[in-house]
Amino acid sequence: GNSVTQMEGPVTLSEEAFLTINCTYTATGYPSLFWYVQYPGEGLQLLLKATKADDKGSNKGFEATYRKETTSFHLEKGSVQVSDSAVYFCALSDYRRGQNFVFGPGTRLSVLP
Amino acid sequence: KAGVTQTPRYLIKTRGQQVTLSCSPISGHRSVSWYQQTPGQGLQFLFEYFSETQRNKGNFPGRFSGRQFSNSRSEMNVSTLELGDSALYLCASSLGLAEGYNEQFFGPGTRLTVL
Repeated sequence: GNSVTQMEGPVTLSEEAFLTINCTYTATGYPSLFWYVQYPGEGLQLLLKATKADDKGSNKGFEATYRKETTSFHLEKGSVQVSDSAVYFCALSDYRRGQNFVFGPGTRLSVLP
Repeated sequence: KAGVTQTPRYLIKTRGQQVTLSCSPISGHRSVSWYQQTPGQGLQFLFEYFSETQRNKGNFPGRFSGRQFSNSRSEMNVSTLELGDSALYLCASSLGLAEGYNEQFFGPGTRLTVL
C-alpha cells in the first residue's frame, strides 16, 4: 500500500537558519502530495500541496517540489522564524483510487531565538 | 465561513465505557473523515463518510464506528474503551467530489484519555 517516510526529528534550528525536512513516498498510481503543519493544541493546517510531478507548492516562505523520479517531496524554507516551531507532516492522497490521506510520522521543529 | 468544529475538546473515560465524538463540517462540505493521532502510531485514517454513507474505511476494529447525518454532521463512536484508545481524534471535511482534488480542512480535535 501507499506510505510516507519523513525524518522524525526533533529538528532544532536557530532563527534565520535554512530548513530542510525530507519526505519520500511509496505509491501506486499518481498521488497528490501535501505538507501539513500542526501547532501546539491545534489541528492540522494545510501548508502547501502539489498535485502532479514537477509541481512546486509554496506558502509562507516554504516550498516543496514533487519529484516523481526520486519519489520525494522535501520541505524547505530559506530563513526560519521562532513562529515556525511546530510539527510538520508530509502526506499523500490519491483521490483517483478513492483513498484518503496517508501521513508520515511528523517532524517536530523547534526554532530558537 | 466557520471552520470544522469538534465537540467535546477533551474527554476522560474509563476502560470498558463507550464514547461518542461529534464533528460539524464546513458548510457545504459533504465528506467527513476521521483520524486517530497517537505518539506511537502517528496519524491513522479511521473512516470517511459522504452523503450519510461510509465510503472508505481504515484498518481499525469494529469497536470504532461512525455515522453521518443529513446535514453532514458526523459522529464517531468507540465502544468498550481500551487504554490504547487514548488519542487525539481529528475530523476533516471536504467537498468530497468524485473527480478532482478535494482539500481537507481539519478540526482542532478531541483529546480522549482512557483511564
